[in-house]
Order: sequence, then C-alpha cells, then structure tokens
Amino acid sequence: DVVMTQSPLSLPVTLGQPASISCRSSQSLVHSDGNTYLDWFHQTPGQPPRRLVYGVSNRDSGVPDRFSGSGSGTDFTLKISRVEAEDLGVYYCMQHTHWPHTFGQGTKLEIK
Amino acid sequence: EVRLVESGGDLVQTGGSLRLSCAASGFTFSSQWMSWVRQAPGKGLEWVANMRHDGGVTWYVDSVKGRFTISKDTAENSLYLQMNSLRAEDTAVYYCGRRDDSGWWFDPWGRGTLVTVSS
Repeated sequence: DVVMTQSPLSLPVTLGQPASISCRSSQSLVHSDGNTYLDWFHQTPGQPPRRLVYGVSNRDSGVPDRFSGSGSGTDFTLKISRVEAEDLGVYYCMQHTHWPHTFGQGTKLEIK
Repeated sequence: EVRLVESGGDLVQTGGSLRLSCAASGFTFSSQWMSWVRQAPGKGLEWVANMRHDGGVTWYVDSVKGRFTISKDTAENSLYLQMNSLRAEDTAVYYCGRRDDSGWWFDPWGRGTLVTVSS
C-alpha cells in the first residue's frame, strides 16, 4: 500500500501568519494517464471533511485563494498564506493514484 | 446539487449486524464509482470499501473482508454497507463518497452516520 506521511502532525500557528503542511508518498503519485491524484481536505470538530484542493494544485469552488497546493512525484505541500480562525482544524492529504487509496494521518492546525 | 445522506448507524453489540444506507442525489448515480470511508473517534480517515459504477468491481480494506459487503440499488439511487460480525474497532462515523466523471473523489461529503459497537 502507498503510505502517506504528513508533517508536522501538529502545527501551532499565529493568526495572520503563514502555514505549510507537507505530505510525502511512499511511491510516485503520477498515474499512467498523466494525472497526479493527490487531494487535500480540511475537517473541523464535529463536521465532515471538506475538499480544498484536488489534483495537487486545483482549488475547489469557494476555497479562499490563501490556500495553495503544490508538489510533484512523491512530495506535496499545502500552504496557507495568512491563517484565519476558520482555518483551524485537521488537514488530510489523500492519494487515489494507486489501489488501495490512502489518507495521510492528519495535521492539526491550532492556535499558538 | 450533489447530495449524499448517510443513515442506519446505531449502537450494536459485538458480533451483531447493521446495514448502512447512503441516499444519493444530484448526479447520475448509475455511472459513478462509490465508496465508504470511516473515521474512528478522534482518529483519521480510512477507506473501507469501493464499488465500480456497474457493481462489477468491489474492493475492501483487509480488516473488513468477509464481514462487510458494499452494494447499490440504482433504481433507488442508494448505496449500502452490510456490516456483519461487528467488532469494537469498527466503531466510527461512516461516510459515503463518490468519484465524479473527471475521476476526483469526495466532493462533497455527507454528514456521516455513527456506528458504535459495544460489548
């Protein structure tokens, strides 16, 4: 199985400051069709996850442009340019290039 | 608007059975892959089962193989998860999800349904 390793697992932040979350896969996530099936999700307590980014860098509708995804191959990053209170919670990366599809362990973004 | 509404979660004893349902709307249910994902209390997300649009391909995580069965009723636009021989470690919120026509999963998510397995 492809192992998705996120770091850090806990990220204390100051509101208004940038934040960055890393996601590394144990195998390249480039599919034979040329796409890289790496997505990012955000979850707040008591709520279902919400997809923020699909295909490494494509922001979903309604997602603020302070969020950006980047990376290639096995190394991916989600960046928040200026953290706002509503951004707190847990972030997950997910790959669906390889079977079985797998999630990262989650990174908890919290107030410093 | 795409909507997924899970139901059927309950408190059940170890060894018991439960059937989860997912009512789908706003998209062509018969033509898309569907899945179940779960989240144990305070834990991360775990894929549980997938089904190809025609039901011809299914996949299960090793921990549920032989105990869980994913199925669908296209006429009812519903996805199901039959859960047998339940264990404490199956306690989780269960979410259903779809893969859209472009190959991307999980937009949106339903609210999930809670399964609690207790002895």
